[in-house]
Amino acid sequence: DAKTTQPNSMESNEEEPVHLPCNHSTISGTDYIHWYRQLPSQGPEYVIHGLTSNVNNRMASLAIAEDRKSSTLILHRATLRDAAVYYCTHYGSSNTGKLIFGQGTTLQVKP
Amino acid sequence: DAGITQSPRHKVTETGTPVTLRCHQTENHRYMYWYRQDPGHGLRLIHYSYGVKDTDKGEVSDGYSVSRSKTEDFLLTLESATSSQTSVYFCAISDRDRYQETQYFGPGTRLLVL
Repeated sequence: DAKTTQPNSMESNEEEPVHLPCNHSTISGTDYIHWYRQLPSQGPEYVIHGLTSNVNNRMASLAIAEDRKSSTLILHRATLRDAAVYYCTHYGSSNTGKLIFGQGTTLQVKP
Repeated sequence: DAGITQSPRHKVTETGTPVTLRCHQTENHRYMYWYRQDPGHGLRLIHYSYGVKDTDKGEVSDGYSVSRSKTEDFLLTLESATSSQTSVYFCAISDRDRYQETQYFGPGTRLLVL
């Protein structure tokens, strides 16, 4: 099954950028990289996804390494509401069509 | 927000009793999933459905069964609940295309088996 590796926890100061790394060395050429986050006492929510190119949306940016074996979720200005567990995963033929969630990174944002 | 509801939101039951959790969607998405979340294990897939009456097992399916008789409803049944099934259960839906999908999660059901 697909496996991703993320740091267990990270800290950031409010209003500063945050770079959340993820390694996904088993990714195949057609797998999309997805990021989700889970706020306290809520279900996970979709953040962003991409295949090869860097992606931006209103929530975050996704930077994908050229070999696609790693990616970085970028929160440009962290807010207290961004404190959550962030999950990196990938989907496609290498994981039989099912999203596999790892342990995720717990992000703490300090005021 | 995707229209996903789960019921009940909280339940306390005793070992050996049957329990059914319901997931209801208003998005007409084809795919539906049941996950459980436990400390130290993250999210783990129990069962999923790729259409009415079409279901398959996930990584932790033992002790669970599912049914989907309508597009909008996906039921998870614990035939005889055990304490190890105490967990938070999340339903998710998606409208997958071949190479990528985005899943939308419900609010979760907290189940305590005494």
